[in-house]
Amino acid sequence: QSALTQPASVSGSPGQSITISCTGTSSDVGGYNYVSWYQQHPGKAPKLMIYDVSNRPSGVSNRFSGSKSGNTASLTISGLQAEDEADYYCSSYTTSSSYVFGTGTKVTVL
Amino acid sequence: QVQLQESGPGLVKPSGTLSLTCAVSGGSISSGNWWSWVRQPPGKGLEWIGEVYHSGSTNYNPSLKSRVTVSVDKSQNQFSLKLSSVTAADTAVYYCARNDGWCQDYWGQGTLVTVSA
Repeated sequence: QSALTQPASVSGSPGQSITISCTGTSSDVGGYNYVSWYQQHPGKAPKLMIYDVSNRPSGVSNRFSGSKSGNTASLTISGLQAEDEADYYCSSYTTSSSYVFGTGTKVTVL
Repeated sequence: QVQLQESGPGLVKPSGTLSLTCAVSGGSISSGNWWSWVRQPPGKGLEWIGEVYHSGSTNYNPSLKSRVTVSVDKSQNQFSLKLSSVTAADTAVYYCARNDGWCQDYWGQGTLVTVSA
């Protein structure tokens, strides 16, 4: 299975909004509403930020939101803060009863 | 609060078998969740390896399926990963995680496994 496609990097100034895309196929992103997003700071384990396309786990800031259209999912971070600088990965359940992660996006706060 | 802790050798010889264990605390491995292994080569992205249910049912990444075995030990409240015929490409930080629905909500801290002679 091929990794989902994400932009390598996205940047924004504090207070701005940014959006990260995650493109798959009808066998993964397009086929299920089971897209999740993870934040990973250097040397740390991933942290779940969004599940089932648009749901936030308890404790995750409402500045993080998710959506999906067709084979592409998106993560939007509004009111960008310095602490949001990290790598972000999308993930989707697949028709192979497995999971596939995205290629990862490095978010830089200017 | 569920906690997961990976353990196992940090160095494995090429063509050998990588073996890791994930100890679960703060919850039962028979809780109804699936349990996953995920890896991350140095400087690269995440790759899902496989998952196990407390019944012993498993699902694997199709690209690794021929070399992977994930198993559960309910008596020890832990689950394990075996990856055979390893090469340098299998060098990575290996994470264990709990599935909640169709995502991974709790993760271990990760353990680096290096494949080298």
